[in-house]
Amino acid sequence: GQQVMQIPQYQHVQEGEDFTTYCNSSTTLSNIQWYKQRPGGHPVFLIQLVKSGEVKKQKRLTFQFGEAKKNSSLHITATQTTDVGTYFCAGGSNDYKLSFGAGTTVTVRA
Amino acid sequence: NAGVTQTPKFQVLKTGQSMTLQCAQDMNHEYMSWYRQDPGMGLRLIHYSVGAGITDQGEVPNGYNVSRSTTEDFPLRLLSAAPSQTSVYFCASSYELVGAGGRDTQYFGPGTRLTVL
Repeated sequence: GQQVMQIPQYQHVQEGEDFTTYCNSSTTLSNIQWYKQRPGGHPVFLIQLVKSGEVKKQKRLTFQFGEAKKNSSLHITATQTTDVGTYFCAGGSNDYKLSFGAGTTVTVRA
Repeated sequence: NAGVTQTPKFQVLKTGQSMTLQCAQDMNHEYMSWYRQDPGMGLRLIHYSVGAGITDQGEVPNGYNVSRSTTEDFPLRLLSAAPSQTSVYFCASSYELVGAGGRDTQYFGPGTRLTVL
């Protein structure tokens, strides 16, 4: 079955620095979604990418979908304390299932 | 709109007990799903439904049953609780089927934290 791998598992960032989390699938995806989960909370939708090579930005967050639709990345610039949480990618397939990566948990040093 | 609601928020069971986790949504979404979240393993799909009367298994269905008699409700039943089922359970719904690439954004409920002793 489809597997989505996400790295790194943990990211410790100095406030103001940039970082990137990566997502890789063993199969071609129909789409990819990104979610953020604050500590003690539930996953909240951030963005969806559908087209090959697609790039979308949300303020300091940049999301990319690979040309082969098998990988994706989330890049955050000038990290702030509000960025703390776990970021999940989730790959969609044509069998109506969404496969989540294990997540990247981000902590920020002020 | 209340969105996706789940009850209870916390539950402690003894091994062998059964219980039902409730999930409801008021957004008229066709697609609903149940996930469990364990440390370091992300969210794993237990069961999902593409509409009233239609359910199917996800990645980790053993020990769980679901039914979908109405569009709004999607309860998850633990038949005979085991310590391995200690987890946080999330229910989610979306307007379109997952993978459609359109309006298949998943809206998550607040979760149920289950401990099995």
